[in-house]
Amino acid sequence: AQSVTQLDSHVSVSEGTPVLLRCNYSSSYSPSLFWYVQHPNKGLQLLLKYTSAATLVKGINGFEAEFKKSETSFHLTKPSAHMSDAAEYFCVVSMNTGFQKLVFGTGTRLLVSP
Amino acid sequence: DAGITQSPRHKVTETGTPVTLRCHQTENHRYMYWYRQDPGHGLRLIHYSYGVKDTDKGEVSDGYSVSRSKTEDFLLTLESATSSQTSVYFCAISEGTFLQETQYFGPGTRLLVL
Repeated sequence: AQSVTQLDSHVSVSEGTPVLLRCNYSSSYSPSLFWYVQHPNKGLQLLLKYTSAATLVKGINGFEAEFKKSETSFHLTKPSAHMSDAAEYFCVVSMNTGFQKLVFGTGTRLLVSP
Repeated sequence: DAGITQSPRHKVTETGTPVTLRCHQTENHRYMYWYRQDPGHGLRLIHYSYGVKDTDKGEVSDGYSVSRSKTEDFLLTLESATSSQTSVYFCAISEGTFLQETQYFGPGTRLLVL
């Protein structure tokens, strides 16, 4: 069965420093993986997705993630944090069982200080 | 935003009353989903639909029913609301070809059951 583990419930960075949000997945076959972002009191916005093409995936707002099959990881990175990046981030794995079933991680809250 | 709206956006109700949440999409997507979001759980699938009058259960469907009489509308009903159904509810659609789908989410409905 597919599962997702987000290794940190909270990550704090200073503005201008790099961001690393960690995600490990479990899947019995080659998965589709996503990162979504949720700003306070908002819906979920797609940041990026991996679907078995290039292992380094670039998303919106300068974020990128690298799919590492040997480590079963899909960590999200950004070279330089901005105050507007403060939000909750969800790593998601997709199961295709006749319909697209998404399995969500429990989320990582990113705090950005001036 | 994939043309998804949800109504109402906020609702307060009393235990035992029926509640219906509406999801409306404007782009003729076949698949629609209802999720609930609770702290520490990410998003969990309640029900989904794969066409008009075609629906099925997700992982947390107890106490909920759905209907889809038109492509554009997917209704979620709490027949007799309980305090455990206090949550934020998100509707989603999926687009893309098989194994390449991506889900896009509505703005959410915040429900408080007293």
